[in-house]
Amino acid sequence: RKEVEQDPGPFNVPEGATVAFNCTYSNSASQSFFWYRQDCRKEPKLLMSVYSSGNEDGRFTAQLNRASQYISLLIRDSKLSDSATYLCVVKSPGSARQLTFGSGTQLTVLP
Amino acid sequence: EAGVTQFPSHSVIEKGQTVTLRCDPISGHDNLYWYRRVMGKEIKFLLHFVKESKQDESGMPNNRFLAERTGGTYSTLKVQPAELEDSGVYFCASSQGQGKYGYTFGSGTRLTVV
Repeated sequence: RKEVEQDPGPFNVPEGATVAFNCTYSNSASQSFFWYRQDCRKEPKLLMSVYSSGNEDGRFTAQLNRASQYISLLIRDSKLSDSATYLCVVKSPGSARQLTFGSGTQLTVLP
Repeated sequence: EAGVTQFPSHSVIEKGQTVTLRCDPISGHDNLYWYRRVMGKEIKFLLHFVKESKQDESGMPNNRFLAERTGGTYSTLKVQPAELEDSGVYFCASSQGQGKYGYTFGSGTRLTVV
C-alpha cells in the first residue's frame, strides 16, 4: 500500500464547476499536510497547508480528518488557470523532515 | 527574494558518465532537500541537509549518489557512474526552520541517461 494515495484522475471539468480531490495517508503519526500544485514540466508549488480545523483560501478549501487519515481539496468556481496536477503531500512525523508525495491528480478545466 | 535555483535545467549524458547537479537554496534557509521523480513514479525524498550536515540520507538509492553542502550554502548532487534508471527530474527544496509551512522547490534538473 502506498503511503499517500490520491484519486487517480484525470478530472476534466467545465469552467465554473466545483471539483473535489481526495487523499488518504497510511502513517497515523503524520503531523503536517499540504496540497501542492504542479504545472506541466514545472516544480511543485505549495498551494496550501491543511489543518484539522479546515482552512480556506479564496476558492480553495482544504480539510483534514485525522481519524480517517483523509485529506481533501475543494476548488470552487474553477478557472482555466486551475488546470494542473494537484499533489497531496504528507510530512514525516517527529524530527524527520521528509515529504511523502502522492502520485498526483491531473485537473483540466475546459472552456 | 530569489527562489531556489538549480543548474543545469537539463542534462543528457551517456551511461557510465558523471554528472553533477547544483542547488542554491533561498538565502538564510538552513534546511536543504533533494528529491527526484523518475518516469511514472511519485516524487521521492533523497536526502536532507541542515547547514552542511547530512541530517537524513535514507532516500539515497545507492553509493553512486554523493551529495555535499560545503559551507552550508549551495549543494551538489553527483551521480557517478550514471545508469539508465537514474533518468528523471531532480528537485531541490529549502525551508526555514522545520518547514511547517511547506518547502520551496527549485525548477528541477531533468537528467536523461542514454
